[in-house]
Amino acid sequence: NAGVTQTPKFQVLKTGQSMTLQCAQDMNHNSMYWYRQDPGMGLRLIYYSASEGTTDKGEVPNGYNVSRLNKREFSLRLESAAPSQTSVYFCASWSVFGAANYGYTFGSGTRLTVV
Amino acid sequence: RKEVEQDPGPFNVPEGATVAFNCTYSNSASQSFFWYRQDCRKEPKLLMSVYSSGNEDGRFTAQLNRASQYISLLIRDSKLSDSATYLCVVNKRGAGGTSYGKLTFGQGTILTVHP
Repeated sequence: NAGVTQTPKFQVLKTGQSMTLQCAQDMNHNSMYWYRQDPGMGLRLIYYSASEGTTDKGEVPNGYNVSRLNKREFSLRLESAAPSQTSVYFCASWSVFGAANYGYTFGSGTRLTVV
Repeated sequence: RKEVEQDPGPFNVPEGATVAFNCTYSNSASQSFFWYRQDCRKEPKLLMSVYSSGNEDGRFTAQLNRASQYISLLIRDSKLSDSATYLCVVNKRGAGGTSYGKLTFGQGTILTVHP
């Protein structure tokens, strides 16, 4: 099925551990995004990639790095996890050039707990 | 002041009721507007885009007032399945007129429809 696939769905890390969240889309979209969602805060943009080969910081980039591996894949890395990074992470994609579905398609999310 | 503000609710309404959600945005450069729906522990999904002329999709009507920087969503004949969190979302143009789809989300309004 076409869409955005995120892995893993759940993860528990110890403080200081590292991990990479994977995201892939098969809709040939140019732009991809990573958001985090915390209670009372809404979704906040961490990093985005307007097109293959480019990445830029969003609202809350500290503690994260990203890689746009190719047009399909956009990964998010936590180098040294902290309890403040406990959150639900969503990957999304969007075609910049007038796709019929004007808006994001989200992955199903990764629930990350840092202890 | 938050860029996008919504009344968090919760709104508790009986089946068949009409309910309205409001949203204000602070950045006059905002160009595109959306309502998303998010079910508990699921990813947000696009409900509808919001156009200046207002638009309707079945029981849902969205309105935009650019002068007041105000967006609304009206749900008529509420169903139990309408219970969810409704997210107001805006997109503003960045440097050079591009937006790269960086959406700003409100905190969401919780709706519970009861029998």
